[in-house]
Order: sequence, then structure tokens, then C-alpha cells
Amino acid sequence: QTVVTQEPSFSVSPGGTVTLTCGLSSGSVSTTYYPSWYQQTPGQAPRTLIYSTNTRSSGVPDRFSGSILGNKAALTITGAQADDESDYYCVLYVGSGIWVFGGGTKLTVL
Amino acid sequence: EVQLVESGGGLIQPGGSLRLSCAASGVTVTSNEMSWVRQAPGKGLEWVSVLYSGGGTYYADSVKGRFTISRDTSKNTLYLQMSSLRAEDTAVYYCARLRGFGMDVWGQGTTVTVSS
Repeated sequence: QTVVTQEPSFSVSPGGTVTLTCGLSSGSVSTTYYPSWYQQTPGQAPRTLIYSTNTRSSGVPDRFSGSILGNKAALTITGAQADDESDYYCVLYVGSGIWVFGGGTKLTVL
Repeated sequence: EVQLVESGGGLIQPGGSLRLSCAASGVTVTSNEMSWVRQAPGKGLEWVSVLYSGGGTYYADSVKGRFTISRDTSKNTLYLQMSSLRAEDTAVYYCARLRGFGMDVWGQGTTVTVSS
């Protein structure tokens, strides 16, 4: 049973930088897991930010970037804005046609 | 512009069946990997199933044996046939196109409520 871990909550000041992470309960995340990241506000469908570790989806500002940091995938938001306040989810491709989402991080901008 | 529009959700009794549809425009479902993702009320996202362009299908353990993903080329539509529904299947169901092993375009979702 693969468990993908994310910080339950995080806060950042307007204009600040925040890095959210996406890990595995057992093992390290690498590019072979093709980590991707999604932003979701209440009542809305998810919006794709990053796929394949660090490829920004169409229309996503370069304030959002993806990477591997240590043994985890990471989403970095620079110059945080009020409307970045959302839930953020990562998903990993764990092989054999299976994907697993993390539990999500609730980001507060204050 | 790629657009995905889900439909078919509703209120269904436990043990019942329901078929969700995802009508695609700007993208051909047979040429892309397509997936279903769901979100229970107040919970996070859960991957449900994938249909590869080559026809291969895979399912989350939570739905294996009960759900079937398929597509209709003539209608350019993705489906999710759900049977033996349980209360824990209550969720908003999204279809999504995969790109680079991630979901890159999402529909607006359709709500399934399993309750007596």
C-alpha cells in the first residue's frame, strides 16, 4: 500500500516563498514517479500546475515551479499572492498503471 | 481548446449501478490516455481509473471489479460504468486527460451520491 505524504497545512506571507513537498511513506520520490501538482479552491475542479516533475501546464505563471528536493517532490511558489490560497495536491505514478494522490496541503496566505 | 464535460451523476441506492460520461472536444479520447479521479465530500482527490490510448485499463483497488472504464470513438466520449455502488463511492467524479503521466486537462465534475 503506497502512501503519498504532504504537509496538511502551510502558511506564507504575501510576497513570500513557500515550498510544499510530496513524499512517500516508504522510499524516495524521483523523476520516475512523474510527480505532478494541482491547485484546487472549494467547489472548483482541480487546476493543473506542474506535470512530469517540472513542466508547467499551459498558462501557469513561472511563480510556480516543480523539482525534486532530497527524497521528495517539491512545489515552490515565489511571490505568493492572496489568490494562491488554495488546496494543493500532488500525485505520483507508482507504476503498473496506478497513480496515488497525496492528502493535500491547505495553503494560507497571511 | 480542449474541453471535457462530465454527466450522468445522480442519487443512487447502495448496490445500484450508474454510468458516467465524459464528452471530449478539442481532443480525441482514443489518441490520449484518459483517467477518472474522484473527490468525496470534504476529502482529497483519489485516482480511480485510467484508459490508455492502446486500450489498456487499470483501476484503484477500491473500485477494481466494480467499475469499468471504456470509450466510444464515434461519440468521442469516455465512460465509467459503476456497479455495486457503496456509500463510500459518494463523490464528485472528474475525468481528465493525461499528459506526461499527469492529469493536464480536467472536466468540471459530476456528483454521485449513494444513499438509501
